[in-house]
Amino acid sequence: QTVVTQEPSFSVSPGGTVILTCGLSSGSVSTTNYPSWYQQTPGQAPRTLIYSTNTRSSGVPDRFSGSILGNKAALTITGAQADDESHYYCVLYMGSGIWVFGGGTKLTVL
Amino acid sequence: EVQVLESGGGLVQPGGSLRLSCAASGFSFNNYGMSWVRQAPGKGLEWVSGVSGGVGSAYYADSVKGRFTVSRDNSKNTLYLQMNSLRAEDTAVYYCARNYGSGSYYAVDYWGQGTLVTVSS
Repeated sequence: QTVVTQEPSFSVSPGGTVILTCGLSSGSVSTTNYPSWYQQTPGQAPRTLIYSTNTRSSGVPDRFSGSILGNKAALTITGAQADDESHYYCVLYMGSGIWVFGGGTKLTVL
Repeated sequence: EVQVLESGGGLVQPGGSLRLSCAASGFSFNNYGMSWVRQAPGKGLEWVSGVSGGVGSAYYADSVKGRFTVSRDNSKNTLYLQMNSLRAEDTAVYYCARNYGSGSYYAVDYWGQGTLVTVSS
């Protein structure tokens, strides 16, 4: 069973840059996994940030960017703001119509 | 404006059944794949099922395969999730979501607000 891995938690200072990653327990993430990223604050529905590796969803500021870094997908947040404090989830396409979410990263801005 | 609105959640006993509905508007429903994603209390997101656009090929997570059935009625712009043989571990908020394209490899772009399913005696 393939597991999608994310850092459980991360901290960033206001105005700083943070890179969250999304990997596979076995193998490398590539563009054919169509990595996507979602932001969720407590009690709210998720919000789509990035899909298909690096395409920003409508209305998402350009300080959020997606990429492949080494063998993982990455979400980079530049100029972190207080309201970026959220949970961030990645999801990867495994083929045959199957998607698997990572466990999520809790980002603290302080 | 793209909107998806879930309904049908509630309390059900273990072993019981429930059908969720998702009414879509603001886009050409037939041309987009749709997904169900759930979130157990205090836990992360879990992809449950997806259906492609058009005639709608269906896909399921191993955790629900054989118990859940996804379907779509393009004439009613509505997505369904029939859930049978429910277990306590199926307790979650169930989100309906639009994918950003028709095929199975398109991820979610628009999310509903979710409907709570509680499986308990």
